[in-house]
Amino acid sequence: NAGVTQTPKFQVLKTGQSMTLQCAQDMNHNSMYWYRQDPGMGLRLIYYSASEGTTDKGEVPNGYNVSRLNKREFSLRLESAAPSQTSVYFCASSLTRQNTEAFFGQGTRLTVV
Amino acid sequence: AQRVTQPEKLLSVFKGAPVELKCNYSYSGSPELFWYVQYSRQRLQLLLRHISRESIKGFTADLNKGETSFHLKKPFAQEEDSAMYYCALMGNAGNMLTFGGGTRLMVKP
Repeated sequence: NAGVTQTPKFQVLKTGQSMTLQCAQDMNHNSMYWYRQDPGMGLRLIYYSASEGTTDKGEVPNGYNVSRLNKREFSLRLESAAPSQTSVYFCASSLTRQNTEAFFGQGTRLTVV
Repeated sequence: AQRVTQPEKLLSVFKGAPVELKCNYSYSGSPELFWYVQYSRQRLQLLLRHISRESIKGFTADLNKGETSFHLKKPFAQEEDSAMYYCALMGNAGNMLTFGGGTRLMVKP
């Protein structure tokens, strides 16, 4: 089972460039999430999607956009990358109910120079 | 708003010593609390959830609603417990999972 798959694993961008991080899950989960992981800051929620067709802002949404393309896929877009967006990005998915386990992708290490 | 606080960024203990990783939360309803763990070069994964009242790899955690805490404990730490530990909260709607800042546990031989 693939679980949650993120692409790419590594990326270097120049300031001002744009890119899209892709995430797909094959567990028929309703909820999907994008987090960024920074030293000392833990995992901070950028956006989440409770179901196909809905998205909501998390704790740190500025500078990002998301698309829930279908039930399987949830993409994160940086329209104009900034050095402050250098981070490790994680996608996760879960069933939309309480006491449910979230499954994580392997992460994307993004560096903006 | 929901918030999770882990006051310790780093916890270093010797093998065989007891371990307690602290977690405090803020939430107006009845939250679901979890501990996730990230071992070196591995994906973040669920360690345990409060509602199951289970012991996983010797770890336990009790939800204290009065103190709004969900501390993770293990009586005798092992070197293989060295990892990054995250406390997480899911709200009533079951669709927003919030993490704390994480605590790096180092178990020395």
